[in-house]
Amino acid sequence: GQNIDQPTEMTATEGAIVQINCTYQTSGFNGLFWYQQHAGEAPTFLSYNVLDGLEEKGRFSSFLSRSKGYSYLLLKELQMKDSASYLCAVMDTGRRALTFGSGTRLQVQP
Amino acid sequence: GAVVSQHPSRVICKSGTSVKIECRSLDFQATTMFWYRQFPKQSLMLMATSNEGSKATYEQGVEKDKFLINHASLTLSTLTVTSAHPEDSSFYICSGTTGDHEKLFFGSGTQLSVL
Repeated sequence: GQNIDQPTEMTATEGAIVQINCTYQTSGFNGLFWYQQHAGEAPTFLSYNVLDGLEEKGRFSSFLSRSKGYSYLLLKELQMKDSASYLCAVMDTGRRALTFGSGTRLQVQP
Repeated sequence: GAVVSQHPSRVICKSGTSVKIECRSLDFQATTMFWYRQFPKQSLMLMATSNEGSKATYEQGVEKDKFLINHASLTLSTLTVTSAHPEDSSFYICSGTTGDHEKLFFGSGTQLSVL
């Protein structure tokens, strides 16, 4: 089975940097995803890591350490529109389905 | 990018009725479609996995006779909630994939409210 943990809520200031952590325990690992989800909407793909290291995409970066079962999503130059839930999800090796963490609700304040 | 069109976006129905949710992949062939359910302030929970032309595989605790999934073509999958009850009220989201790891595309979701 899979177990994914991430903080429930975080608050940050506009223009700042925030790091959202995710730890996972899985019987089979085929990549880790980060999604952004606004209330009442479908998740939007942010990043995919399958190898150790840092992947950077504009203001968003994602890091993975497979040996530690650990990932983080780094958001730079925060904007008010970044207020959303951020979901960490792990893909298993068999059926390719995603198991999602409970999500981290990020509130960006002026 | 690829698009999965999900309809309806919102449905309100009476207890005991059935509701059908459709997901269409508009510009790619979805060999596999996943159906998720999300209760308020909770994360997405996988309900079932369907491959085109075969029976869906349901997650533990999901009643296959209540949540009927049909994936008759590479561009269309449907979820029918039969004899809906208030506890079935939730946000239902489909996602389709061609099989490539990164290419997993979500529908826009359906908010089901059962009165």
